[in-house]
Amino acid sequence: DGGITQSPKYLFRKEGQNVTLSCEQNLNHDAMYWYRQDPGQGLRLIYYSQIVNDFQKGDIAEGYSVSREKKESFPLTVTSAQKNPTAFYLCASSITSGAYQPQHFGDGTRLSIL
Amino acid sequence: GQQLNQSPQSMFIQEGEDVSMNCTSSSIFNTWLWYKQDPGEGPVLLIALYKAGELTSNGRLTAQFGITRKDSFLNISASIPSDVGIYFCAGYTGANSKLTFGKGITLSVRP
Repeated sequence: DGGITQSPKYLFRKEGQNVTLSCEQNLNHDAMYWYRQDPGQGLRLIYYSQIVNDFQKGDIAEGYSVSREKKESFPLTVTSAQKNPTAFYLCASSITSGAYQPQHFGDGTRLSIL
Repeated sequence: GQQLNQSPQSMFIQEGEDVSMNCTSSSIFNTWLWYKQDPGEGPVLLIALYKAGELTSNGRLTAQFGITRKDSFLNISASIPSDVGIYFCAGYTGANSKLTFGKGITLSVRP
C-alpha cells in the first residue's frame, strides 16, 4: 500500500539526549514536511524539503534538524537544545511543494520526556 | 502571517443530526483543504477545493469554497459515532506559500 510511515509510534527522551524520528514515504512525492502538534493547537511547521538534498526551516526550527538524502526518507532529529520537546510529531508529503498540492500525513510519533 | 479561524473549539451533537463548521480568514486563499484527525492518528484529507464558489461532496460531507475566497464551510449530514474527531481547515494563499492550518474543531457525537 502507498503511504507515509512514521516510526516509532511512541518515543521517550532523556534530558540532554538527541532522538531521531523516522519518516518514509512510497508515494514518489517530491516534497516532505515535519509538523509539531500541541493540544488545542494547529499544526506548526518545523522543516520542509522540496527536493532531495535540500530543506528549509519552517516556523519553529530551533532545536530540530533534518536531512533529505533520499527521496523517500526525511528523518527529524530532536536535539537537546529543544527544551520543550513533548508533543505529537507529524510527517507529511505532497507531490510537489507548490501549485496548491494537498499534503498527506503519516500517523505521527508521540515524544515524551523521561 | 495568514491565520485561519475555526470556532467554536468543540461541538457536541446528537447522532443523526447535521452539523456545519466554517473556517475564516482576513486573507484571500486560493485552495482550501479539510482534514479529519482521529485520536492518536494523523490527519486524513477529506475534501480539497480549488475554485471560488466550488461545492464538493464526499459521501455525507460537503464543503464549499466561499465566494469571497476568505472562508470555507464543511457540512456533515446525518452524523454517526465515527464522525467523532478533530476537523481542521487548511489553505494556501499562493502557489509558493506554505500550508496554513486552523486550530481545529473537536466534534463529539452523542448516541
